Amino acid sequence: GQQVQQSPASLVLQEGENAELQCNFSTSLNSMQWFYQRPGGSLVSLFYNPSGTKQSGRLTSTTVIKERRSSLHISSSQTTDSGTYLCAMVRYAQGLTFGLGTRVSVFP
Amino acid sequence: DMKVTQMPRYLIKRMGENVLLECGQDMSHETMYWYRQDPGLGLQLIYISYDVDSNSEGDIPKGYRVSRKKREHFSLILDSAKTNQTSVYFCASSQQGANERLFFGHGTKLSVL
Repeated sequence: GQQVQQSPASLVLQEGENAELQCNFSTSLNSMQWFYQRPGGSLVSLFYNPSGTKQSGRLTSTTVIKERRSSLHISSSQTTDSGTYLCAMVRYAQGLTFGLGTRVSVFP
Repeated sequence: DMKVTQMPRYLIKRMGENVLLECGQDMSHETMYWYRQDPGLGLQLIYISYDVDSNSEGDIPKGYRVSRKKREHFSLILDSAKTNQTSVYFCASSQQGANERLFFGHGTKLSVL
């Protein structure tokens, strides 16, 4: 089964609304990362090795490693936030295992 | 400039042909990765390289091989490509391990007909 589960699978927002994306891990992990993928494009690192709560602009990551979960909060969404948000768990000497992502669509 | 560059961006090959995907990074990162991304399956690790000539299989290495002769370059080779290798391939790099920030290239969309 999927080691990294993301929810919801997709999300539609009106500009200005907030959103909460969830990531749960089925196995114990040391660390995790959040990425943003532009439609049809590359991945951009949002947060890496976060613990507790970390903020970058309108994005806030809250991670509880021992509970195997992380969330990404988007505040005051903008149309430029549209895309897919991916979380991934760090595996020792094995790179990252990714979830399937949450596709976010923000409309004006 | 902190960049991972993949060449080519798009590639169409016939079944049985050999394929070479190239990746370069300008950050002197030790660790480099090759992933493929497919709908419904997400990103899957093909190979990981810890430095020059120090490569390790990922989750789906069958049908692929890699080459890393310089720290800045990491190549993915498909000998006799198959139609099920049609995918988008991403290269990434990090300073040392996956605990650190990963930088991704723009991807290569490969179609094997």
